[in-house]
Amino acid sequence: DGGITQSPKYLFRKEGQNVTLSCEQNLNHDAMYWYRQDPGQGLRLIYYSQIVNDFQKGDIAEGYSVSREKKESFPLTVTSAQKNPTAFYLCASSTGHTDTQYFGPGTRLTVL
Amino acid sequence: AQSVTQLDSHVSVSEGTPVLLRCNYSSSYSPSLFWYVQHPNKGLQLLLKYTSAATLVKGINGFEAEFKKSETSFHLTKPSAHMSDAAEYFCVVTEFTNAGKSTFGDGTTLTVKP
Repeated sequence: DGGITQSPKYLFRKEGQNVTLSCEQNLNHDAMYWYRQDPGQGLRLIYYSQIVNDFQKGDIAEGYSVSREKKESFPLTVTSAQKNPTAFYLCASSTGHTDTQYFGPGTRLTVL
Repeated sequence: AQSVTQLDSHVSVSEGTPVLLRCNYSSSYSPSLFWYVQHPNKGLQLLLKYTSAATLVKGINGFEAEFKKSETSFHLTKPSAHMSDAAEYFCVVTEFTNAGKSTFGDGTTLTVKP
């Protein structure tokens, strides 16, 4: 079964803690993306990676970090420097950067 | 530079009537344009995409969109709404030269009344 998975589905964190969101794909896609979605807004790009061991900042990278050590994995760490981390986080992948993006089911992060 | 504007934040239709969700875009180069649908607390699913082939693009679930360069529009339509179409819809633009960066509209919430 090909697809993109995110875990966990729901995540709760105390203020001041770092937390890592998982994103895995078995579609053999080169490009992967992390987006943040807030109520009533579109998706905003946090980080993207077009190839293994390379990634670029998106529009709202401050307070976040990523790694791309394997083609199929693109974890996102929300650090304590992110001032307002409560949001719905979506991971996506594509064969190329102008191609269709395939989205995971999302992780809802709540800071307590 | 690329941008996208979804002209309506909410659209309400009756079941069986036509759907029109409007999207205008701005792009310095020939863009790729997409429509995605999102049901509550789910990821996004592709409805259709335009990549400089036919200007009328047919997608899944009876949706279609027409690329109009002169009007810089990419409106999404469906002849007859179904209750299951109730969701949020996003128009997306991507330029080849803007490697890796797509711009999403703010979304249109479609409500379908019985």
